[in-house]
Amino acid sequence: QITLKESGPTLVKPTQTLTLTCTFSGFSLTSSGVGVGWIRQPPGKALEWLALIYWDDDKRYSPSLKSRLTITKDTSKNQVVLTMTNMDPVDTATYYCALRGYSSGWYSYFQHWGQGTLVTVSS
Amino acid sequence: DIVMTQSPDSLAVSLGEKATINCKSSQSVLYSSNNKNYLAWYQQKPGQPPKLLIYWASTRESGVPDRFSGSGSGTDFTLTINSLQAEDVAVYYCQHYYSTPPYTFGQGTKLEIK
Repeated sequence: QITLKESGPTLVKPTQTLTLTCTFSGFSLTSSGVGVGWIRQPPGKALEWLALIYWDDDKRYSPSLKSRLTITKDTSKNQVVLTMTNMDPVDTATYYCALRGYSSGWYSYFQHWGQGTLVTVSS
Repeated sequence: DIVMTQSPDSLAVSLGEKATINCKSSQSVLYSSNNKNYLAWYQQKPGQPPKLLIYWASTRESGVPDRFSGSGSGTDFTLTINSLQAEDVAVYYCQHYYSTPPYTFGQGTKLEIK
């Protein structure tokens, strides 16, 4: 059974750095083709694709946020970490991690999602 | 970046009737080498994460009722829900996963019961 769970602070102050952890089970991020992504959703708004890390440590970012994002993995702990610098109230959102989909190969739709974690940015 | 535009933003459909949601990409998401459209649909109910419904534009995810279907190719896609049920009330999103990231989502379509 595949599970993903996000964890991190629920409240951060403006200008601070956010660190979120995605802890997963049921798959290995060392297997060829596997990738875990981060997606966020401001309250009442649409989904926004943020970043994706692949089994081979290739990393891709949203161009609009690339300067503020870092995605890493710790395969020994089955975790993926997303950091976002210089947080602003507009970054208030539910942050999800999700696993790439498998269909005779791995592709970048998201087949399994965590429940998400709400992060509020406020002083 | 590929921009995904959904229409309408919201719609209300009577129980048992058909709902149709459209998604248009700013460039083709059809990969000529395998003739596959790199387009997925998700359903999101309040307080829940998105749930994958359809990938490759028309392949239903395991466990998804067959009243959900996807169609289209290139830049124009449709999600159809036949015989609408009360539990289908949700926001629906399309997403492309073509070529290089970002694999953007549409703005969402809110489906309600009339």
